[in-house]
Amino acid sequence: DADVTQTPRNRITKTGKRIMLECSQTKGHDRMYWYRQDPGLGLRLIYYSFDVKDINKGEISDGYSVSRQAQAKFSLSLESAIPNQTALYFCATSKTGTAVNEQFFGPGTRLTVL
Amino acid sequence: GQNIDQPTEMTATEGAIVQINCTYQTSGFNGLFWYQQHAGEAPTFLSYNVLDGLEEKGRFSSFLSRSKGYSYLLLKELQMKDSASYLCAVRDEYGGATNKLIFGTGTLLAVQP
Repeated sequence: DADVTQTPRNRITKTGKRIMLECSQTKGHDRMYWYRQDPGLGLRLIYYSFDVKDINKGEISDGYSVSRQAQAKFSLSLESAIPNQTALYFCATSKTGTAVNEQFFGPGTRLTVL
Repeated sequence: GQNIDQPTEMTATEGAIVQINCTYQTSGFNGLFWYQQHAGEAPTFLSYNVLDGLEEKGRFSSFLSRSKGYSYLLLKELQMKDSASYLCAVRDEYGGATNKLIFGTGTLLAVQP
């Protein structure tokens, strides 16, 4: 089945460490997104990409960076992790030109920054 | 500003019908989505409305009134597996070129026997 995968699924790290979260998809979708989810705040968009090497800031991009070197992969980096970046992170994909253009989500990465 | 409101929690009985409301105030509008999210899992797409009216898909229906900034998700013949969070999201721009979604905080539905 065409799918969206995220690695790692769980990560515990310390303040100040550099962290990279990976997202891969076999759906052949051109658009990819990174969200974080916090209790009581809902899903918030961090970055999104329309295609390879295209990068756009979302609602809460400070403290994060992304890379899109291939259509199937979109990575999220925390250059110097801080405790308030503890959250559940989701990658999503969508395909331009479809009638609904719904987003398909990966299984999530639970990140804890101590 | 951008605002999407939905109740925080709801409880319903197995076999019954439940309606989850969502009101929104956004600078643009190009469709409203409902997603289901079981605890610790990925949100999964349930329904989409861009024109006023009711969209039916099996046990799930979704309604939209653009003039009122209002939508609801109707779940019929509730099953225990329907216990989950239900997320309302608006595609916040005319034309939908960027496909950015604004999500509500979700409604946690508990289905009781």
